[in-house]
Amino acid sequence: DTEVTQTPKHLVMGMTNKKSLKCEQHMGHRAMYWYKQKAKKPPELMFVYSYEKLSINESVPSRFSPECPNSSLLNLHLHALQPEDSALYLCASSLLFLAKNIQYFGAGTRLSVL
Amino acid sequence: AQKVTQAQTEISVVEKEDVTLDCVYETRDTTYYLFWYKQPPSGELVFLIRRNSFDEQNEISGRYSWNFQKSTSSFNFTITASQVVDSAVYFCTHGKLTFGQGTILTVHP
Repeated sequence: DTEVTQTPKHLVMGMTNKKSLKCEQHMGHRAMYWYKQKAKKPPELMFVYSYEKLSINESVPSRFSPECPNSSLLNLHLHALQPEDSALYLCASSLLFLAKNIQYFGAGTRLSVL
Repeated sequence: AQKVTQAQTEISVVEKEDVTLDCVYETRDTTYYLFWYKQPPSGELVFLIRRNSFDEQNEISGRYSWNFQKSTSSFNFTITASQVVDSAVYFCTHGKLTFGQGTILTVHP
């Protein structure tokens, strides 16, 4: 099973809402990632978790709050977002947080902020 | 710092044509890894190949082939006899999470 599952697939939210994106993998991977992707652009790294600990935060605004409750789950809590935050949010996992490891991606959550 | 350049923003071909996607990288690491991923319209990035800096052998997998040349810092990707299902965005990446800008490939029937 090489699947990374993201829910929901689509999300529309207002600027005052609070919502969460979820990501799950059962491959025994110990590194998990959140990326943001705007149309016709490459994915931009937001956060990296390694062994359930936050390893990288790419200066992401505090309105995005990641959480890794266990080795299989990764959440991204959203609060007071701006319209420019509308994008495809991709989750990925890899065996370990090493340059040589292949990343496995979910299908993403398409977020629209009104 | 690492940098990956995919100079071709968009390529359009007709089915059965061969097409090569270019990737040039910059790194100061002596050991490094390069990857190609495919992103179809569904959104999910799919792993295609990984190459480490010690292995300069070219690789062929079905209609796909890769040409890795350290002398020119390039890791190019060729699709032979392209098909409509090959239409996607292709990303070349450096193992330290550095993505190229991507090449949009459209294969017309």
